[in-house]
Amino acid sequence: QKEVEQNSGPLSVPEGAIASLNCTYSDRGSQSFFWYRQYSGKSPELIMSIYSNGDKEDGRFTAQLNKASQYVSLLIRDSQPSDSATYLCAVKGSSASKIIFGSGTRLSIRP
Amino acid sequence: SAVISQKPSRDICQRGTSLTIQCQVDSQVTMMFWYRQQPGQSLTLIATANQGSEATYESGFVIDKFPISRPNLTFSTLTVSNMSPEDSSIYLCSVDEDRAQETQYFGPGTRLLVL
Repeated sequence: QKEVEQNSGPLSVPEGAIASLNCTYSDRGSQSFFWYRQYSGKSPELIMSIYSNGDKEDGRFTAQLNKASQYVSLLIRDSQPSDSATYLCAVKGSSASKIIFGSGTRLSIRP
Repeated sequence: SAVISQKPSRDICQRGTSLTIQCQVDSQVTMMFWYRQQPGQSLTLIATANQGSEATYESGFVIDKFPISRPNLTFSTLTVSNMSPEDSSIYLCSVDEDRAQETQYFGPGTRLLVL
């Protein structure tokens, strides 16, 4: 079992709709969770971090965390073509300082 | 957030040679990391660069192949030694800027092609 799992996509969403990206993790003791956005040919950019169960909102982005289900998600409201990118879920495990990345979900927003 | 720069931004190298990648941060940071991202893949941690001591390598990566230096809290180098085409990848420097929040930020990356 991979430590951090994501659906590779591509996920195609019409412009203006809600894009929902999902991620599961295996280390039940994990405490810190992150979403990075990576445009083609660019380095990852941190867009959200979440540490407690529930929802965290930042503009059009909402991160959701459910530690009991070992599940973290990212919702993007009013999707724009500029949101087309690969989204990486990342988890900091309980026993080390390193962050483990999922394989990423490729999101495509169609006009 | 900290401004992170990497040199070179890209390079084309011959097999058997070595390349040293530099990572410079505009502020002192405790943790610096080196990642590899192979084409179409996610990020794989190579090692944690420790200031004043040897780097901590992840499984599958060894010091002879990827020697790392960290002379101070703002600078680190990664050398890719005795390169083969399988080393063609993007190499990314990352820093853990905010110890309280434990968030990592990435440099722009070095795109390496080995012929």
